[in-house]
Amino acid sequence: LAKTTQPISMDSYEGQEVNITCSHNNIATNDYITWYQQFPSQGPRFIIQGYKTKVTNEVASLFIPADRKSSTLSLPRVSLSDTAVYYCLKGGNTGKLIFGQGTTLQVKP
Amino acid sequence: GAGVSQSPSNKVTEKGKDVELRCDPISGHTALYWYRQSLGQGLEFLIYFQGNSAPDKSGLPSDRFSAERTGGSVSTLTIQRTQQEDSAVYLCASSWGGPNSPLHFGNGTRLTVT
Repeated sequence: LAKTTQPISMDSYEGQEVNITCSHNNIATNDYITWYQQFPSQGPRFIIQGYKTKVTNEVASLFIPADRKSSTLSLPRVSLSDTAVYYCLKGGNTGKLIFGQGTTLQVKP
Repeated sequence: GAGVSQSPSNKVTEKGKDVELRCDPISGHTALYWYRQSLGQGLEFLIYFQGNSAPDKSGLPSDRFSAERTGGSVSTLTIQRTQQEDSAVYLCASSWGGPNSPLHFGNGTRLTVT
């Protein structure tokens, strides 16, 4: 099963907007895209989910273009506490959900 | 409300011993997943339970690993004759529906095999 592909790491500064893009070329019709955030010594936690176009909640936005082969997580005005690993997960018609390596975001003061 | 609970949070065992890791999912969640995360690595799929269906065991790395889910709720992951390479954090997650339903993770069990 093909994984999603993300940059291994990104650096940013406090107050900036951060965009993390995930590639999922083999996405199927029924697949949703879900993003998770993981802090050290904790399990991943749900951030946002979408199918197409744009979804926004209180912490992030998710942009999925018409072909749905990629998605971009946007974190507005990051703070030091946003330093974490971010995973993009493609849903499917089976429960064998394969996580990619994730993107380690380092926010600097 | 209560989230996914895993116990123990830490387990140190000697090589060759058997260990059991427990997961209490969120009440009412029909799907349950086990993942393994080695230090600094991503999440490795182990096994998936959905309702009363046969589990997808295709991610279990060897026949020393097994898992069961009793009564559609609590799950136990058992590792027999532990090896040093089994050292990792074992994460459990549950969800209310199919594979597109968001996963709710516990904080994992950190297993160290000496």
